[in-house]
Amino acid sequence: DVKVTQSSRYLVKRTGEKVFLECVQDMDHENMFWYRQDPGLGLRLIYFSYDVKMKEKGDIPEGYSVSREKKERFSLILESASTNQTSMYLCASRPTGAGSPLHFGNGTRLTVT
Amino acid sequence: GENVEQHPSTLSVQEGDSAVIKCTYSDSASNYFPWYKQELGKRPQLIIDIRSNVGEKKDQRIAVTLNKTAKHFSLHITETQPEDSAVYFCAASRGTNAGKSTFGDGTTLTVKP
Repeated sequence: DVKVTQSSRYLVKRTGEKVFLECVQDMDHENMFWYRQDPGLGLRLIYFSYDVKMKEKGDIPEGYSVSREKKERFSLILESASTNQTSMYLCASRPTGAGSPLHFGNGTRLTVT
Repeated sequence: GENVEQHPSTLSVQEGDSAVIKCTYSDSASNYFPWYKQELGKRPQLIIDIRSNVGEKKDQRIAVTLNKTAKHFSLHITETQPEDSAVYFCAASRGTNAGKSTFGDGTTLTVKP
């Protein structure tokens, strides 16, 4: 069974801090994604990566960056955290090829004070 | 880009009744349509999916229908049970290698015993 692991379940940071959210998957999936989940807004794509060192902007990339140095690891970086980035962050992975579902991590609940 | 609209945002049914959730999409090139269930405090998980070369798919009490011409697809749950209570998300994606998914805003289903 695919396992997607997010390093922290809950995180509290101060405004202006640099924040790293880590995600690791164990199924050798080429594609990895970072989504943000807010009530009533569904899941919105921040960034995704289809290969090592490759990244593409999603729908809401402003204020975020990503890093993919190894195939199994995809990091989301908040360069200078702001209160409007308080949210649930979900990492997901999927293999290459048409028509395969996303496998999600348990999520990181980030609070920026 | 793709836009997915999901209705209703909340749905309350009596145990044993049927529940229907509808989604429309805008990108005619989308060809993969998964449905995810997210229980409280847990990760979204795939419950059923359909590809654009199929009009309907069933799995026990759950079915999904797709109308490519009208660009809409629906989730049908029959004989609902209290454990069906959750947030349901539809999504649409193209069959490209990364295949990034665009999600609907979610439907909170409550099944009253």
